[in-house]
Amino acid sequence: QVQLVQSGSELKKPGASVKVSCKASGYTFTSYAMNWVRQAPGQGLEWMGWINTNTGNPTYAQGFTGRFVFSLDTSVSTAYLQISSLKAEDTAVYYCARFDGAPYWGQGTLVTVSS
Amino acid sequence: QSVLTQPPSVSGAPGQRVTISCTGSSSNIGAGYDVHWYQQLPGTAPKLLIYGNSNRPSGVPDRFSGSKSGTSASLAITGLQAEDEADYYCQSYDSSLSGSGYVFGTGTKVTVL
Repeated sequence: QVQLVQSGSELKKPGASVKVSCKASGYTFTSYAMNWVRQAPGQGLEWMGWINTNTGNPTYAQGFTGRFVFSLDTSVSTAYLQISSLKAEDTAVYYCARFDGAPYWGQGTLVTVSS
Repeated sequence: QSVLTQPPSVSGAPGQRVTISCTGSSSNIGAGYDVHWYQQLPGTAPKLLIYGNSNRPSGVPDRFSGSKSGTSASLAITGLQAEDEADYYCQSYDSSLSGSGYVFGTGTKVTVL
């Protein structure tokens, strides 16, 4: 069965960086794009963009350019989200998700940015 | 900002039927893109309820049903139960001059009275 397993919660100070991982199993990793979704505390779901798992080419939604980087390690079927120069407003749960066909989501990774 | 509009809240007594609307436009739902629906309980990841407008994944009760017409979609919950109290989101794809990508609804809180 398809599974997306994300790395654990992170507590970071403002200005630091964080890298969230999303390990896929149960399907051919390079056959489906990987998406990233943000949910700030008490807020709705916001699509951040996606990465082509065949070419590694990322596409970022408006508001997620510059400090946000999507990457892959296809040898271990894992996608990554890196956020640099963290700000308090980056505090959120970040989800990886596969949307082609029936959607599948990771369990989410809480990133807390606090001094 | 969300391009799919949902009512902020809906409520109903146990056993009743409630519906949640998801209003889009000609660049998303109206363009023929699929609509998915999710249920989100506090502190948990969104759970897929309906995919491809009206398909239920295995394990989702048939009390949940989805439909789509024109630029809108709807989720219906029949025989409302206390465990249905949660946030619900619709999702589709949007393609416009300003760019393309997935979009989510504004979210609806369902309260069981």
